[in-house]
Amino acid sequence: NAGVTQTPKFQVLKTGQSMTLQCAQDMNHEYMSWYRQDPGMGLRLIHYSVGAGITDQGEVPNGYNVSRSTTEDFPLRLLSAAPSQTSVYFCASSYGGTSRNTGELFFGEGSRLTVL
Amino acid sequence: GENVEQHPSTLSVQEGDSAVIKCTYSDSASNYFPWYKQELGKRPQLIIDIRSNVGEKKDQRIAVTLNKTAKHFSLHITETQPEDSAVYFCAAVKFYTGTASKLTFGTGTRLQVTL
Repeated sequence: NAGVTQTPKFQVLKTGQSMTLQCAQDMNHEYMSWYRQDPGMGLRLIHYSVGAGITDQGEVPNGYNVSRSTTEDFPLRLLSAAPSQTSVYFCASSYGGTSRNTGELFFGEGSRLTVL
Repeated sequence: GENVEQHPSTLSVQEGDSAVIKCTYSDSASNYFPWYKQELGKRPQLIIDIRSNVGEKKDQRIAVTLNKTAKHFSLHITETQPEDSAVYFCAAVKFYTGTASKLTFGTGTRLQVTL
């Protein structure tokens, strides 16, 4: 299993540009989420999904869109990038079933985004 | 929603000493408290967790304690080694079997173990 795979690992954008961060998991996890990590602020939840076709907002959703058309994929879209969105982004997944849900989040390697 | 505070933000200990990181949470309904370790340039990984029905859990040199009354929990690392140097995040959530978890993380503690 590859686990949670994020692309790209690095990206530089200009203000106003749009882009999509890709996230895929091959563990058949129901739960997927996006976090951003900023110095001194820990990991903050942007959006999450409890299954295909279901998404919801986290703590800092403004400026980001998500969709979950399949169990495996959970892309994060930046509609009009701003310098405040310069951050490291982590995708994570967790088994959300009824029998062996341990709550453990499995993170991708992260995507470092710089908005100029 | 849940609010998690973590202290200290940085911690430097000598190899072999113990390290303690403390977190407080605001939502008395929270019942699951994991700790994640993030090495430099790497992804966070779960190292230990505790549920609200126990007060302490140990795994070799790592232990976590929980005080539900005071709403705080702590990570204890004994006999620290250079490979323990990393950023540690606590988290809290109301979690139960059959649902997804929305972890609220603390702001992290950078632990440096010096020789």
